[in-house]
Amino acid sequence: GIQVEQSPPDLILQEGANSTLRCNFSDSVNNLQWFHQNPWGQLINLFYIPSGTKQNGRLSATTVATERYSLLYISSSQTTDSGVYFCAVGTNFGNEKLTFGTGTRLTIIP
Amino acid sequence: DTAVSQTPKYLVTQMGNDKSIKCEQNLGHDTMYWYKQDSKKFLKIMFSYNNKELIINETVPNRFSPKSPDKAHLNLHINSLELGDSAVYFCASSHRQIYGYTFGSGTRLTVV
Repeated sequence: GIQVEQSPPDLILQEGANSTLRCNFSDSVNNLQWFHQNPWGQLINLFYIPSGTKQNGRLSATTVATERYSLLYISSSQTTDSGVYFCAVGTNFGNEKLTFGTGTRLTIIP
Repeated sequence: DTAVSQTPKYLVTQMGNDKSIKCEQNLGHDTMYWYKQDSKKFLKIMFSYNNKELIINETVPNRFSPKSPDKAHLNLHINSLELGDSAVYFCASSHRQIYGYTFGSGTRLTVV
């Protein structure tokens, strides 16, 4: 099956800093999503981005499908950005199974 | 509120018992899923239903049986619970044409 690797596994930053999270995948995908799991366990969909670039406020994401990676940018970090960020990919049209990466744990220090 | 709702939020039970987790979505999505998150936070799909039809059944013990009475509901029944079943179980939904998932808030199952 497809392999999804995320880096770095852990990231500790001061409030206000910027960060880049990376997701590498081993095969062509037709579905790529970024999720944030907050400290209370809730999984929030950030982006559906199988290719191209999207922005939502302080967050943006870019997927370069031909090179099999995606990047999530967080600017001007806030303590509420803390949590685990997951990249998840899907490879089959008509079968919406997502394979998740192991996540990046982000801790923002005030 | 439009959402994916799971009940119960917490479930503590003894080994050998049978339990159910319920999930409902009012987003008009046609596909629903069950995912399991283990103690190391790894998320893995268990089942997927599209319009009440089972389309994904990963290698899950047959003690786990999903049931979808209609496309807005997907329940998970677990027989003969084992210690290793302790995890957080997430329900999610999506629509084929949109592909973005919406997750429920999770059910933390603890088997003692």
